[in-house]
Amino acid sequence: AQTVTQSQPEMSVQEAETVTLSCTYDTSESNYYLFWYKQPPSRQMILVIRQEAYKQQNATENRFSVNFQKAAKSFSLKISDSQLGDTAMYFCASPFGNEKLTFGTGTRLTIIP
Amino acid sequence: DTGVSQNPRHKITKRGQNVTFRCDPISEHNRLYWYRQTLGQGPEFLTYFQNEAQLEKSRLLSDRFSAERPKGSFSTLEIQRTEQGDSAMYLCASSLVGISGANVLTFGAGSRLTVL
Repeated sequence: AQTVTQSQPEMSVQEAETVTLSCTYDTSESNYYLFWYKQPPSRQMILVIRQEAYKQQNATENRFSVNFQKAAKSFSLKISDSQLGDTAMYFCASPFGNEKLTFGTGTRLTIIP
Repeated sequence: DTGVSQNPRHKITKRGQNVTFRCDPISEHNRLYWYRQTLGQGPEFLTYFQNEAQLEKSRLLSDRFSAERPKGSFSTLEIQRTEQGDSAMYLCASSLVGISGANVLTFGAGSRLTVL
């Protein structure tokens, strides 16, 4: 079975600090995409960053970057210079070569002013 | 483009009643997905459409659930004889799938169902 595991149910960090959210997964696929989605309170889920598994270079989008370790099946999200607007649920997800996303259980991130 | 629109945003119903949710995807998107999200959990896949064809249904989608996407535009998700266990957020997402590249889903704000 293809699974996504997020082992940190909740995290909090002071504004302007850096935080890393963990995600591990299990799949037998060789090429796939990995995503981090953000779900702010009472608002819709939006894509934060994506990574294609065959690309060795880690993806970066402004303050957001990933640490992708394919052999370890690890896909962590680093948020630099955290802002109050980063407060949200963060979900790691992948379709693993299928047509539907499999999500982790999420990490609730709170940025403390 | 106004994104993915879902209505109603919140529905409260009594056990045994039928409810219907509507999703209007981004107009040029050919894929439409329904997910269910319960408190403290990640979204779980229910079903998806490619244009008007329903291509896959999850085992979570019991016989009381039916989804349609007539003419490949908007979609409806109907739940018949609702049960308290159906209480959840129902998320719709759409995407444009081409020959290659990531299938990036754009989500709506969701329809929250509360069954009393």
